[in-house]
Amino acid sequence: DGGITQSPKYLFRKEGQNVTLSCEQNLNHDAMYWYRQDPGQGLRLIYYSQIVNDFQKGDIAEGYSVSREKKESFPLTVTSAQKNPTAFYLCASSLGMNTEAFFGQGTRLTVV
Amino acid sequence: AQSVTQLGSHVSVSEGALVLLRCNYSSSVPPYLFWYVQYPNQGLQLLLKYTSAATLVKGINGFEAEFKKSETSFHLTKPSAHMSDAAEYFCAVTAASGTYKYIFGTGTRLKVLA
Repeated sequence: DGGITQSPKYLFRKEGQNVTLSCEQNLNHDAMYWYRQDPGQGLRLIYYSQIVNDFQKGDIAEGYSVSREKKESFPLTVTSAQKNPTAFYLCASSLGMNTEAFFGQGTRLTVV
Repeated sequence: AQSVTQLGSHVSVSEGALVLLRCNYSSSVPPYLFWYVQYPNQGLQLLLKYTSAATLVKGINGFEAEFKKSETSFHLTKPSAHMSDAAEYFCAVTAASGTYKYIFGTGTRLKVLA
């Protein structure tokens, strides 16, 4: 089945450690996105990529990094510079402009 | 800049009653609009989308939405609520012509009372 796979579903890390969240899609979509979700704040865009080897900062990119070496993959690294990393992270993809986004099941990151 | 406003962060309805979730957008050009549903600890699932083909859009699970340009609204409705409709609902719009970005509302949590 085509879709977006995020792994792991739950992730625990100690403060000060970098952590990488995986996102893979087999929908042959050009665009991919990372959102952060906190209670009562909706979805906030971290980074997005429209094509391979290119990506742009979203609204809250500080403390995060991404890469887009393959069309299918868009990993997100949460660095130690991110002040409040505990959140629910959602990856999405879309075919192109003005089409709907498809979402993965999310990764809940807890930093202790 | 585009924006989306969802009126009411929490809505409660009785089982069998009409569901109405409100979404207003700001756009200087005809937008592409979407409604998504999110169940706890899951990703977002597309309910329906408006792409200018028809003003009344039917989606999954009995939901529909009507695009009203004069009111810049895209409210989501369902004639009869079911317990399984309890979830969070997000309205979204494409950010601007020529970009791949989306603007999401802050969400409305629907509670269905038995």
